[in-house]
Amino acid sequence: GDSVTQMEGPVTLSEEAFLTINCTYTATGYPSLFWYVQYPGEGLQLLLKATKADDKGSNKGFEATYRKETTSFHLEKGSVQVSDSAVYFCALSHTGGFKTIFGAGTRLFVKA
Amino acid sequence: DTGVSQDPRHKITKRGQNVTFRCDPISEHNRLYWYRQTLGQGPEFLTYFQNEAQLEKSRLLSDRFSAERPKGSFSTLEIQRTEQGDSAMYLCASSFETSGTDTQYFGPGTRLTVL
Repeated sequence: GDSVTQMEGPVTLSEEAFLTINCTYTATGYPSLFWYVQYPGEGLQLLLKATKADDKGSNKGFEATYRKETTSFHLEKGSVQVSDSAVYFCALSHTGGFKTIFGAGTRLFVKA
Repeated sequence: DTGVSQDPRHKITKRGQNVTFRCDPISEHNRLYWYRQTLGQGPEFLTYFQNEAQLEKSRLLSDRFSAERPKGSFSTLEIQRTEQGDSAMYLCASSFETSGTDTQYFGPGTRLTVL
């Protein structure tokens, strides 16, 4: 079945450092890929998405590129802020599908 | 648009009791989903409604669990005879049906603790 694997956390960075959170997936066909973020005490929020190979999703300085050849969707940000501290979930869903499959999440701590 | 809301936000119950959670989706969304999230894990799909019809149930949804969406608006998730293993965050999401891939919008969740 479909699955998503993302790097284990926690990831601890200093403010203004470069962030990469790795995500790879296993799926039939061509799923859409997502990054969701969960801030402390809040619900999941969609951060960005990409619906086909080579698409780049971007939002709030974060970006991720859909790489079909490596089945990856790594999340990157050039300069993290303390306010980016949260749990980040990589996920996939199929066109016409009814469920989203999530990775286990990666907790990010950003120190001032 | 006030987003997806869930009630209650927290529920503590004793083993063997029944609990019911409510989800109010974004008003124009015709699809509604329930997920369960345990500590340190991502959400796992439980069930899905299109309008009032429950179209899919996960194997995770034992016969102690039942979900309804009576008029295609709000939904309830009931757990009967709760067990300690039911302790988790229960998330509701909604989406508007598109020809492509729906984007699901999540509520804040109901955290259930079974003592």
